[in-house]
Amino acid sequence: QQPVQSPQAVILREGEDAVINCSSSKALYSVHWYRQKHGEAPVFLMILLKGGEQKGHDKISASFNEKKQQSSLYLTASQLSYSGTYFCGTASNTGKLIFGQGTTLQVKP
Amino acid sequence: DVKVTQSSRYLVKRTGEKVFLECVQDMDHENMFWYRQDPGLGLRLIYFSYDVKMKEKGDIPEGYSVSREKKERFSLILESASTNQTSMYLCATTGQGATLYSNQPQHFGDGTRLSIL
Repeated sequence: QQPVQSPQAVILREGEDAVINCSSSKALYSVHWYRQKHGEAPVFLMILLKGGEQKGHDKISASFNEKKQQSSLYLTASQLSYSGTYFCGTASNTGKLIFGQGTTLQVKP
Repeated sequence: DVKVTQSSRYLVKRTGEKVFLECVQDMDHENMFWYRQDPGLGLRLIYFSYDVKMKEKGDIPEGYSVSREKKERFSLILESASTNQTSMYLCATTGQGATLYSNQPQHFGDGTRLSIL
């Protein structure tokens, strides 16, 4: 079953923060986050593994709460380059990565 | 860097045609995947392969088949193309040793935008 991402879309000004959530109805082994710019391939951001870890990459970080079967992506002090569609991918015991429907982020000057 | 190459960026075909989409990777990855991407639906898995000549159905395999005769190449076949198969198709790979429920990132090609008229 496809994880649910929220919000579906968000518009920010440069320097503002955003949070994108990803929820699953299944127990999760890992959560992936990818960003896709228009007309380009999705690009890997980070993976969070079972164990409730947090990760950071520059001003983008994420958390994984396996008990709640949720992950959140945090974008701090957003830059124009952060614009794009963000996808979470969840891996459960089916052996497949299932992607959410995507969250479109637009950062304006 | 991993390079995943899809043979065409844009493709236009007619209803009923047999269509081949090709994907080639240069990193000796064992696992390869085909997704379709539609607005509001995200990426949906069509088929995947974890070894040469091995294939598994994904979530939406109907109307599609795949072929993996060589490790570096994974082909998606639309047996008889229909208009509802108009979509963006993305190929992806994961590295050696990755389990399918994966602690390794997926590397995507640039996609093939397929239109069926």
